Amino acid sequence: RKEVEQDPGPFNVPEGATVAFNCTYSNSASQSFFWYRQDCRKEPKLLMSVYSSGNEDGRFTAQLNRASQYISLLIRDSKLSDSATYLCVADYGGSQGNLIFGKGTKLSVKP
Amino acid sequence: DAGVTQSPTHLIKTRGQQVTLRCSPISGHKSVSWYQQVLGQGPQFIFQYYEKEERGRGNFPDRFSARQFPNYSSELNVNALLLGDSALYLCASSFGQGYGYTFGSGTRLTVV
Repeated sequence: RKEVEQDPGPFNVPEGATVAFNCTYSNSASQSFFWYRQDCRKEPKLLMSVYSSGNEDGRFTAQLNRASQYISLLIRDSKLSDSATYLCVADYGGSQGNLIFGKGTKLSVKP
Repeated sequence: DAGVTQSPTHLIKTRGQQVTLRCSPISGHKSVSWYQQVLGQGPQFIFQYYEKEERGRGNFPDRFSARQFPNYSSELNVNALLLGDSALYLCASSFGQGYGYTFGSGTRLTVV
């Protein structure tokens, strides 16, 4: 079983649509969670951290449910520029301190 | 402020050769991690260094090694290259756990 699993995608949506990505993680020791965005042939870039209380940054809302080991990302009013691969990430912290990435979900926003 | 810088950006090597990849973290970041990303997959953790000490190692063979220098820059070495080592190698730096990591633009290694 993969440690971080994401919706396989791809998601093809029209401009203005609301799209939701889901992610589950298997290791309850994971301490921090993030969503990264990766454009084609570019490096991943931090989109936002994910907190149990939920957090919002403009059109983006992230949520963490520790009991269900579930993470979500909601994008409202999709823009063409949102087209990218979205990576769900768990940080084990502690002595390992490494990031575990999901395979990513590709989003294509169409005019 | 300069971001995470990696060199070289692209590299072509033949099977059996050795390669050294370099990374300079963001100023003030003491944690450096290395990741391998093959096409269609998320990045896979290789090593993490903090204050010049290895803090984590992923599931990679002993052909992969790394080190961190007093100025917190880092090198990743891969010996006896295989075709399967062809990938984008990413370096990331951070203040520490929980802060999120900033990635460099990567070194694209092709083994022929």
